[in-house]
Amino acid sequence: EIQLQESGPGLVKPSQSLSLTCSVTGYTITSGYDWSWIRKFPGNKMEWMGYISNSGSTNYNPSLKIRISITRDTSKNQFFLQLNSVTTEDTATYYCARGNYVFDYWGQGVMVTVSS
Amino acid sequence: DIQMTQSPASLSASLGETVTIECRASEDIYSNLAWYQQKPGNSPQLLIYDANSLADGVPSRFSGSGSGTQYSLKINSLQSEDVASYFCQQYNNYLTFGSGTKLEIK
Repeated sequence: EIQLQESGPGLVKPSQSLSLTCSVTGYTITSGYDWSWIRKFPGNKMEWMGYISNSGSTNYNPSLKIRISITRDTSKNQFFLQLNSVTTEDTATYYCARGNYVFDYWGQGVMVTVSS
Repeated sequence: DIQMTQSPASLSASLGETVTIECRASEDIYSNLAWYQQKPGNSPQLLIYDANSLADGVPSRFSGSGSGTQYSLKINSLQSEDVASYFCQQYNNYLTFGSGTKLEIK
């Protein structure tokens, strides 16, 4: 069974970086498919943030392009999100998911609050 | 950005009823649309892709239709386990999501 699990700090201070990990079990992230980060804001608006492909290339939402980085560790079957210079507007539940335009497996989500 | 306008925001229906949720895109998305279900406390689950293709393991009482800018998700014979939020997502030009519909049982 394919499972994704997000982990990372639940509280980040403004201007700092947000770093999250997605651990994947039941499927090797280099085998195929791309791997995305998606977030859901309070009020339920959702935003696709970007993905890392099974070959390691990346594609980011243009609105985040200067702040976001998605990387991976294939030895651990994990991929990562780094979002720099966060503000309170980055407070959201962050999901990792399999896919680049349709998402067939999602993690449970991790709530991240940006606050001093 | 393509804007997705989803309606209604909330919906209450009786068991066994048929319900319909709609999404309108701000421009033609050529059936590049998915629907997801998110039950309370759970992660989203893919229901429909390419506007009308049922994802693996999804009950046949769920169906999708539409074209151009107008799309809908229909749930036949509403079951108690269908209580959830539903949202659409276009992937014709980058990705954007609808605002969601919360479905409750009357």
